[in-house]
Amino acid sequence: QVQLVESGGGVVQPGRSLRLSCAASGFTFSNYSMHWVRQAPGKGLEWVGAIPYDGDHGYYADSVKGRFTISRDSSKNTLYLQMNSLRPEDTAVYYCTRRHGYNTFDYWGQGTLVTVSS
Amino acid sequence: DIQMTQSPSAMSASVGDRVTITCRASQGIANYLAWFQQKPGKVPKRLIYTASSLQSGVPSRFSGSGSGTEFTLTISSLQPEDFATYYCLQYNSFPFTFGPGTKVDIK
Repeated sequence: QVQLVESGGGVVQPGRSLRLSCAASGFTFSNYSMHWVRQAPGKGLEWVGAIPYDGDHGYYADSVKGRFTISRDSSKNTLYLQMNSLRPEDTAVYYCTRRHGYNTFDYWGQGTLVTVSS
Repeated sequence: DIQMTQSPSAMSASVGDRVTITCRASQGIANYLAWFQQKPGKVPKRLIYTASSLQSGVPSRFSGSGSGTEFTLTISSLQPEDFATYYCLQYNSFPFTFGPGTKVDIK
């Protein structure tokens, strides 16, 4: 069955970096574009960014552009989110999800919490 | 960027009520719209994709309609397990954008 498992969250000081991972299984990872979505405490869902199936280049929300980088390793079926220059407003649960044809955001990981605080 | 709005932002309803939530896009998105349900502390769950296609396993009381810039999610007869927050998502073009959500609670 399809599984997406995020890891790497934690507490980090403003200005520091953190890398999240999303381990995928149960489907052909290399066929799917992969996305990150976040949700700040008590707030709505925010699309963060995406990487195409071929990992060519990423697409990002304006709020993270230039600070966050999405990459993927198809040999490990793993998606990454490198977060630099973190700000308190980046505090959120970060989810990974997938897209291919009609399978747009049909499966989500359980999320990993990132807290940016001094 | 495409902006998504939802109305209402919150509503109170009773079991058995017919509930309609509207999502509007700032520009045309064809039918590249999905609806999600989220309960507190839980992962979002996709209900509808391509504006009107029902996700497998989702009860038939949920339905979606619309195209272009205006979309609706309808729950034909609200059940106790349907009290949640509902989000629309446009995936016509990057950056993808979610609506701000509609919270449905018990009257």
